[in-house]
Amino acid sequence: AQKVTQAQTEISVVEKEDVTLDCVYETRDTTYYLFWYKQPPSGELVFLIRRNSFDEQNEISGRYSWNFQKSTSSFNFTITASQVVDSAVYFCALTSAGGTSYGKLTFGQGTILTVHP
Amino acid sequence: GAVVSQHPSRVICKSGTSVKIECRSLDFQATTMFWYRQFPKQSLMLMATSNEGSKATYEQGVEKDKFLINHASLTLSTLTVTSAHPEDSSFYICSASARGQGGYTFGSGTRLTVV
Repeated sequence: AQKVTQAQTEISVVEKEDVTLDCVYETRDTTYYLFWYKQPPSGELVFLIRRNSFDEQNEISGRYSWNFQKSTSSFNFTITASQVVDSAVYFCALTSAGGTSYGKLTFGQGTILTVHP
Repeated sequence: GAVVSQHPSRVICKSGTSVKIECRSLDFQATTMFWYRQFPKQSLMLMATSNEGSKATYEQGVEKDKFLINHASLTLSTLTVTSAHPEDSSFYICSASARGQGGYTFGSGTRLTVV
């Protein structure tokens, strides 16, 4: 069975601080995808990134960066110079890259990020 | 980009009635649709997977007779909550994928309140 753990339930920071959201996963699949989604108060899920298990390169997109370490089964997400608009619930998710479980996302518990002005 | 339209965004219904939620893929053919449920302050849990033209596959613990899923075309899947009760109040969200795309597009979600 797959499992995603986001150990931080809530994080509170002041604007311009850097913040890292942790994600640890468990899977027996050799090929899988990892995702991060943002869920603002309105509820919709905003796609942030998808990472293939074969690609361990870290990625940076503006103020966002992701650190994928297969050796520790972690896929952490860092927001640099946080802004109030970053306040949301962030979910890490995992799915198999093939087979009958393909496309079925297993979500972590979510991390509530609050950025104060 | 791929867009999935989900309606209604909010619905309030009386206990015992049925509610239908629609998800449409607007610019691609969704061979598979997934339905998730999210209780307040909790994570998203997969309820069922539907493939176009075949019966939905439900996750353990999800009552298939209560949550009817229809995926009759490549662009439309519906979730009907039958005989809704207050404990069914939740946020329901669909996602769609097309064969070979490797990506999943989420609808905007439906907040169901049963009174």
